[in-house]
Amino acid sequence: DQQVKQNSPSLSVQEGRISILNCDYTNSMFDYFLWYKKYPAEGPTFLISISSIKDKNEDGRFTVFLNKSAKHLSLHIVPSQPGDSAVYFCAASVGGSNYKLTFGKGTLLTVNP
Amino acid sequence: EAQVTQNPRYLITVTGKKLTVTCSQNMNHEYMSWYRQDPGLGLRQIYYSMNVEVTDKGDVPEGYKVSRKEKRNFPLILESPSPNQTSLYFCASSRTGGTGNTIYFGEGSWLTVV
Repeated sequence: DQQVKQNSPSLSVQEGRISILNCDYTNSMFDYFLWYKKYPAEGPTFLISISSIKDKNEDGRFTVFLNKSAKHLSLHIVPSQPGDSAVYFCAASVGGSNYKLTFGKGTLLTVNP
Repeated sequence: EAQVTQNPRYLITVTGKKLTVTCSQNMNHEYMSWYRQDPGLGLRQIYYSMNVEVTDKGDVPEGYKVSRKEKRNFPLILESPSPNQTSLYFCASSRTGGTGNTIYFGEGSWLTVV
């Protein structure tokens, strides 16, 4: 049973437009959520996180929104740039830790010039 | 430079031939972990370690062993590899304590078992 779901395997957007990547979770014990970006032939790199006590966290072009009642979070990238093209993984954990992260399957974002 | 280094990066091996994938970090992190990435399945945790001599199973530990004799190293051991262990493996490390510690991942090790 997949506890963290990224239902869109891929997303394609134009440069300068908004990219919205979605993630749903089923485990109500999750209280810490992260987004990782992964380029081919590289390890994932941390992008942004949010605690369940917040509903929004912003870092430059990246904003993560959390809707606890819907068990849904989304990553907004504005404006999208070609260098943002990568696989994005949503991850969740219990207790605010990194120790046992549960990852989604990932969404391949392609930003077209 | 903060680094998590894995070796080998690429390996083709045969079923049953024991192999070890090494992982080393230079950030004095207490926490280290191994993940595997498979198509359509995302990243799944194999084992993790909270400190020297402290290890615990992740979600998919079958067929793997680990050891943490030194803080900087966390090798992944496949005693008798099988084709279903063909995968992309990532080692990761982070500090412990508090919340929101960034996890650093290695570049990955492609393992093919034939």
